[in-house]
Amino acid sequence: GAVVSQHPSWVICKSGTSVKIECRSLDFQATTMFWYRQFPKQSLMLMATSNEGSKATYEQGVEKDKFLINHASLTLSTLTVTSAHPEDSSFYICSAGWGQSTRGYTFGSGTRLTVV
Amino acid sequence: TQLLEQSPQFLSIQEGENLTVYCNSSSVFSSLQWYRQEPGEGPVLLVTVVTGGEVKKLKRLTFQFGDARKDSSLHITAAQPGDTGLYLCAVILTGGGNKLTFGTGTQLKVEL
Repeated sequence: GAVVSQHPSWVICKSGTSVKIECRSLDFQATTMFWYRQFPKQSLMLMATSNEGSKATYEQGVEKDKFLINHASLTLSTLTVTSAHPEDSSFYICSAGWGQSTRGYTFGSGTRLTVV
Repeated sequence: TQLLEQSPQFLSIQEGENLTVYCNSSSVFSSLQWYRQEPGEGPVLLVTVVTGGEVKKLKRLTFQFGDARKDSSLHITAAQPGDTGLYLCAVILTGGGNKLTFGTGTQLKVEL
């Protein structure tokens, strides 16, 4: 149980275009999902918290107009990288929390974005 | 300044060796988690420690939570190539949405 599916697993796009990444909770409802960014050989950095039915909350230094987050249902959150540039190339991972007392977090398999 | 500092940052060892990874902070936490991540995948939860001084074992992996609940260690006995990966400690920040925040990470490579 508690499976999160993330698509696509990799994407290459041209500079200036937008890319949408989807994150779905398959067997549970996720009122909150989290989006992380990871550069090679580095840890995961939290970008934003996606809240179902309300606006996402962004971490300091993350441009909300560049990284658009939509959480329209209890099983789907999307991250859109708008007007992508080569420096946006990274590994993006979503996560959802489940359970109350155990505080488990399950992760998607990540999306490798390359902007050329 | 990172909330959770891990050391070492990189570690390359031979199969059969033992190693310890540290996760340190100046803050006190109610619990701490350890994850392992392989290239191109999301992190996978290894363990959650919740009590100061607690020791948990997972086969050849031993996790300890510091008495003051500010730090933790991961010890691997007789490392194997399959242990290769990025090891991450993490804590849940309850103020503002139960955000899972990761440490700086330790990249482990175990060679034959």
